[in-house]
Amino acid sequence: DIVLTQSPESLAVSLGERATINCKSSRSVFYTSTSKNYLAWYQQKPGQPPKLLIYWASVRQSGVPDRFSGSGSETDFTLTISSLQAEDVAVYYCHQYYSIPRTFGQGTRVEIK
Amino acid sequence: QVQLQESGPGLVKPSETLSLTCTVSGDSVTSFFWSWIRQPAGLGPEWIGYIYYSGSTLYNPSLESRATISVDTTKNQCSLKLTSVTAADTAVYYCARHFAEGGGTFDIWGHGTVVTVSS
Repeated sequence: DIVLTQSPESLAVSLGERATINCKSSRSVFYTSTSKNYLAWYQQKPGQPPKLLIYWASVRQSGVPDRFSGSGSETDFTLTISSLQAEDVAVYYCHQYYSIPRTFGQGTRVEIK
Repeated sequence: QVQLQESGPGLVKPSETLSLTCTVSGDSVTSFFWSWIRQPAGLGPEWIGYIYYSGSTLYNPSLESRATISVDTTKNQCSLKLTSVTAADTAVYYCARHFAEGGGTFDIWGHGTVVTVSS
């Protein structure tokens, strides 16, 4: 199984400041035949299902604010919130869909400082 | 607007079978793949398996011996059965639609249904 390790486990950021979450994969999730990274990011608020933010490691899902961005390749990925808003308080998960079984990171909790 | 609604018993006894249904509205179960995913309290999601409307399935090896996913195109539903449950199967269970443009990650999720395994 591909293990996704997120860091930090939690972080507190002031409103308007940048938040950065890292996701390290135990194996590359880059598929050479498609030249794509099979890595997504989700946001989950209490009592709600996860919401897709980013797929193909860097493509923003329709309707997601442009303060959210994804980067990285192969085994190292980053989700950045460029200017944290109050509504961004949530747990964020990375997810690989490169191989079976599909796996998720353990989550990073983002709070307001 | 696509909506998924999970339903089923909220309480299952140990060693019995958990049975859940996902009703799809605003889309057809024949459109692509559909997954079941669960999330124990305070932990990250765990993928259980997926099905294509043709009936083709693929499961998480850790659950493959106990999980069965099926689809009913006439009712626009997919279902999950998990046999021989234990307390470790207590979780929120979600169904989710695969996102073709995104290579198969999940773009639409149901709100989830809480399942507790307890006598």
